[in-house]
Amino acid sequence: AQSVTQPDIHITVSEGASLELRCNYSYGATPYLFWYVQSPGQGLQLLLKYFSGDTLVQGIKGFEAEFKRSQSSFNLRKPSVHWSDAAEYFCAVGAGTGNQFYFGTGTSLTVIP
Amino acid sequence: NAGVTQTPKFRILKIGQSMTLQCTQDMNHNYMYWYRQDPGMGLKLIYYSVGAGITDKGEVPNGYNVSRSTTEDFPLRLELAAPSQTSVYFCASTRQVANYGYTFGSGTRLTVV
Repeated sequence: AQSVTQPDIHITVSEGASLELRCNYSYGATPYLFWYVQSPGQGLQLLLKYFSGDTLVQGIKGFEAEFKRSQSSFNLRKPSVHWSDAAEYFCAVGAGTGNQFYFGTGTSLTVIP
Repeated sequence: NAGVTQTPKFRILKIGQSMTLQCTQDMNHNYMYWYRQDPGMGLKLIYYSVGAGITDKGEVPNGYNVSRSTTEDFPLRLELAAPSQTSVYFCASTRQVANYGYTFGSGTRLTVV
């Protein structure tokens, strides 16, 4: 069965520091992988996606993610975090006959001055 | 282009009451979904639809019903509200997950008392 694990429930980083959010997935075939961001009281916004090709993908707001098949991982990175990046981040894998997503439980990011 | 529109944004229900959460998209997407989001649990799929007249259960369908009479609309019905249904509900749609990911609505916050 498909599943997504985000091992870090909450992360705190200083503004300007680098960031890496972890995501591991379980899926039998080549997955479609996504990162979403959710600001407080808002819906989810797509940051980036991977479905084939270059394993390092660039997204909006300066984020990138790297697909590592050998580790079943799709970690999200940003070289320098801004205070506005404070939000909840969700990793998801797309699968199934209904084009369904399976979401991780999310990582809450706090940015301190 | 409005995207995915959910109404209402907030609602308080008494135990045993019924209500319908509305979801409309204007992007001519075939695939539509209802998720619920609970703290620390990520998003769980309630029901989904791959086209008008076709619906199927997701991971947590009990206590809910859906219909899809048109491509645009995908309402979610709660027949006998229970406190366990207190949650934030998100509707989403896509043309194709692999290439586009989901477009999310802004959510409905439901409290059952």
